[in-house]
Amino acid sequence: KNQVEQSPQSLIILEGKNCTLQCNYTVSPFSNLRWYKQDTGRGPVSLTIMTFSENTKSNGRYTATLDADTKQSSLHITASQLSDSASYICVVDSGNTGKLIFGQGTTLQVKP
Amino acid sequence: NAGVTQTPKFQVLKTGQSMTLQCAQDMNHEYMSWYRQDPGMGLRLIHYSVGAGITDQGEVPNGYNVSRSTTEDFPLRLLSAAPSQTSVYFCASSHGVDTQYFGPGTRLTVL
Repeated sequence: KNQVEQSPQSLIILEGKNCTLQCNYTVSPFSNLRWYKQDTGRGPVSLTIMTFSENTKSNGRYTATLDADTKQSSLHITASQLSDSASYICVVDSGNTGKLIFGQGTTLQVKP
Repeated sequence: NAGVTQTPKFQVLKTGQSMTLQCAQDMNHEYMSWYRQDPGMGLRLIHYSVGAGITDQGEVPNGYNVSRSTTEDFPLRLLSAAPSQTSVYFCASSHGVDTQYFGPGTRLTVL
């Protein structure tokens, strides 16, 4: 069964600290992997998209990595800010039909 | 560009009522999708469309209908609302496998 598992489920860090969120997937075939940020009460917003051949991709303070061999991805947030408090969702695209498989998300809370 | 717009933002229905959730995009995207998001679960695909006149079922299509008569609009119809359809509904659009843009969501409660 195609699945996307994220860990941890929730995380609390202090402002200015770094953190890493994990994503494991069992989706096949694989087209690309995406990370989204979803603020409370809003729709998800795309952070990064990585294809099979890409190992890392950055978007400002967000850096995503992909290991297609082990089917693992991580999202690293550097120098966290209060505005980083949100849910971070890992999504795997299994092909070109528009069907995306979403993880449950990691809820990050950044405290001052 | 307004991006992806959804109406209404909030809706309360009684069991058995029908309604249509509206979704529109002004980015000329061919791909449009409807998702529902429930607490503790990832977004689940209800229906999607790869272009005007073409629709297909996603993971949880039962109880919902869609149509795509224009590139811009992709309405979702609830045929006979049930409490299990209480959820937050998101519409999204994209150009191929590029970045997907989501609307602000519709919060639906079925009593």
